[in-house]
Amino acid sequence: GAGVSQTPSNKVTEKGKYVELRCDPISGHTALYWYRQSLGQGPEFLIYFQGTGAADDSGLPNDRFFAVRPEGSVSTLKIQRTERGDSAVYLCASSPRGGPVGTEAFFGQGTRLTVV
Amino acid sequence: GDSVTQMEGPVTLSEEAFLTINCTYTATGYPSLFWYVQYPGEGLQLLLKATKADDKGSNKGFEATYRKETTSFHLEKGSVQVSDSAVYFCALIGSSNTGKLIFGQGTTLQVKP
Repeated sequence: GAGVSQTPSNKVTEKGKYVELRCDPISGHTALYWYRQSLGQGPEFLIYFQGTGAADDSGLPNDRFFAVRPEGSVSTLKIQRTERGDSAVYLCASSPRGGPVGTEAFFGQGTRLTVV
Repeated sequence: GDSVTQMEGPVTLSEEAFLTINCTYTATGYPSLFWYVQYPGEGLQLLLKATKADDKGSNKGFEATYRKETTSFHLEKGSVQVSDSAVYFCALIGSSNTGKLIFGQGTTLQVKP
């Protein structure tokens, strides 16, 4: 497909468990972003990758959250010891270059994470 | 830090009515400004953008003008359709050099036939 793909679309997990959320960006896009959207709120920035490196992880809420992009394409967001407050829609976006110029970011449909 | 404030929703209009959704921002320097739209069951899509003061972004009959003097980027459409029913997000890319978006809380628009 041509768009950003996120899997799974829905994930229900028990409190304290570990989860991984996957993002397949648009081919050739060097910039990749993760956002978290709570109910009734706008998306909040978590982390930005330029290629393989995390260029800005200032939005990660605590050390339970970690993300990787080992080959500069697919990214995985990892959450350890999940808490009920982690329940949200996790959005991934990619763009051709990233940076401050305002190039368009293309969003996936998100993974809805529910921690019970 | 940078922030975006949108008018609270939901906004309910009849078809062919005029739409305004207010958006104001706080940012240092000269941010780029965006409107994203989320249709039911779909992902966020860029609707329009403006990258410098007095620029007007437009798409699908929607317009927004970057007003630095009032730090605003209000979304307007002259005649809404039922198909415009969606959640609209105002956003900015600020002085950070990463391109990360700062979003408002979103405004739900419902257009009735």
